[in-house]
This record gives sequence, structure tokens and C-alpha cells, in this order.
Amino acid sequence: EDQVTQSPEALRLQEGESSSLNCSYTVSGLRGLFWYRQDPGKGPEFLFTLYSAGEEKEKERLKATLTKKESFLHITAPKPEDSATYLCAVHLTRGYALNFGKGTSLLVTP
Amino acid sequence: DAGVIQSPRHEVTEMGQEVTLRCKPISGHDYLFWYRQTMMRGLELLIYFNNNVPIDDSGMPEDRFSAKMPNASFSTLKIQPSEPRDSAVYFCASSLARGELFFGEGSRLTVL
Repeated sequence: EDQVTQSPEALRLQEGESSSLNCSYTVSGLRGLFWYRQDPGKGPEFLFTLYSAGEEKEKERLKATLTKKESFLHITAPKPEDSATYLCAVHLTRGYALNFGKGTSLLVTP
Repeated sequence: DAGVIQSPRHEVTEMGQEVTLRCKPISGHDYLFWYRQTMMRGLELLIYFNNNVPIDDSGMPEDRFSAKMPNASFSTLKIQPSEPRDSAVYFCASSLARGELFFGEGSRLTVL
């Protein structure tokens, strides 16, 4: 069964305090791992897609990496505006729908 | 370019009433998805369409839920009759094949 598990559930950081969010997955034949950001009252917003182990992508203070079993979202020197829920998802084994983890709620305080 | 448009943004109804949620996908996208989000279960796939044809509806909770896509620019999700446990945020998303999904702002449903 396709599964996506994210940890921690919640994370509180001081501004400038770097950290990483984890996404572990079990799926037959990974066809893409996706990271999204979701602000309160909004729909998820696409950040990155990773397709193969070793791949990395960066956007501002965020860097996503991928291994054969998990992905990390590294946040370097975060700012309060980085506060959001970060969701990880993989394509279902069959079809093109995404199976989402429950997310990590990140709070960055000044 | 307009994103995915959902309506209504908020719906409060009483148990037993019919609820219809609407979605306009991004023009040119050939996949449309309906998800439901709750604190307990996170984002759950309900159903998705490819070129207006339902592909996988295994996530639809029960016969009270139905979804249609009469053309490439419109889809509906209907709940009849509604129950309090249906209270959630319902998201519509669209995509091009295996590309990333683009989500609407969601419809927050409260069933009293």
C-alpha cells in the first residue's frame, strides 16, 4: 500500500534557526515526489518535484533532497513568513493522483 | 492566468440537505482531482478525471457522494444527503498529465 509519513507533526523555530523536515514513503516505483506549502485558509501551493535519488532542488531558503526511501526539506535561516504547513506527496502506484502525507506545521518566531 | 476556481468558499447547511460544490480547472489541463481535507485524516483523494472521464473514484466515501465533469471547464461534487461527518474543506485541483497539481482555494463545508 502506498504510504507517505511526515515528521515532525509540528516544528517551532526561532528566526534564523535552520532545520529539516522529513518525508518517508513506501511506493512501488517512484514516479515523482512533490513538496507543497499550505497557508491557513488556502489551497496547497506547489514547491518542488523530485524524480530520482540524489536529486536536489532549491528555492530561496528551501532545499529539497531525495533518497530511495525519504525526502528532506531543509530550511536555512528561516523567516516568520516561512511559517506554514509543508506537505509531501507521491504519485499513487496506479494513475496520476497524488497521495499526501499529513504535513508538518512550521512556526517561525521572530 | 486564472487559477483553479472553486465555489462556494463557505457553505453551512443542515443534515440531510443536498450540497453541490463547483470547480473550474485551469484552461488546458486534462486532469481534475477532488480532495477532502480534515485535521484527522489530512488530504484524501476522492475522485479524479482525465479528459472529463472518471478514472478512479475509489476514494468516494459512499453513495451519498457523486461527481461529474460535463465538459473540460467545469466539475461538480455533490453530497446528498449531507451528514455532520462530511464537514471538511473540499479542494479541487487540476494538472497536465504527470505534472504538479494546482489547487483551488477550497470550499469549507459545515454540516450542522
